[in-house]
Amino acid sequence: AQKITQTQPGMFVQEKEAVTLDCTYDTSDQSYGLFWYKQPSSGEMIFLIYQGSYDEQNATEGRYSLNFQKARKSANLVISASQLGDSAMYFCAMREGRGAQKLVFGQGTRLTINP
Amino acid sequence: DADVTQTPRNRITKTGKRIMLECSQTKGHDRMYWYRQDPGLGLRLIYYSFDVKDINKGEISDGYSVSRQAQAKFSLSLESAIPNQTALYFCATSDWDDSPTDTQYFGPGTRLTVL
Repeated sequence: AQKITQTQPGMFVQEKEAVTLDCTYDTSDQSYGLFWYKQPSSGEMIFLIYQGSYDEQNATEGRYSLNFQKARKSANLVISASQLGDSAMYFCAMREGRGAQKLVFGQGTRLTINP
Repeated sequence: DADVTQTPRNRITKTGKRIMLECSQTKGHDRMYWYRQDPGLGLRLIYYSFDVKDINKGEISDGYSVSRQAQAKFSLSLESAIPNQTALYFCATSDWDDSPTDTQYFGPGTRLTVL
C-alpha cells in the first residue's frame, strides 16, 4: 500500500484564488513528520512547510498553510492568493519515527495558475 | 551561493560507462542523501550517510555506489551505466536530529541520460 497518496495529478486555478492540494498518508507510527516540497520546471526541490505529528496547531509559512487532520491522516497544503510563480509540481512527503532516514514521497500534483 | 551544489547539472553518457555525480554542501550538516526521480514519480532513496564513516543503502542501491570524502562532500557513482538509470538525481542534506521533523534540503539536481 502506498504510504503517501496525492489524488490530484493536475490542478488548474485562476490567479489570486486559494488552492488546496490533497495528501493522505498511512503510518502506524505515533511520531512522524509531514513535508511539502515544490518543484518548478527548472527541476529543483524547494522545501515549503512541515508538520510534526505531535504539533497541535497547523503549520503556516507565509502564503502556505498545512491543514493537518490527524484522525483522517490527511495533510493538505493550502496556498492562499495564488500567483503565476506557484505553477509547479508539488510533492507531499513523510518521515516516520525517530531515527528514520527516508522521506517517502507521493507522486505529486502539477499545479497550473492561469492569469 | 547555493547551500547544496551538484555537478554536473546535466550529463549524457553511453551504456557501460562509469560516471560520478558530485554533491557539496556548505550547510554544515552531518547527514547527506542521494535520491533519484523518474518521470511521473516521487523521489526514491539510493544511499544515505550519517557521517564520513557511516554509509547506508537506501531502497534502490543496486547499480550504484557512493563515497563520503568529507563532511561536505558526497559522491554517487554508476560503475556501468544502463539506460534505465536515466533520471533526475538529487543530493540532500539534513542536520543531526533524530526528530521525524528533521528537514532535508535538496540540491538543484543532476539530469542524467544514459544512451
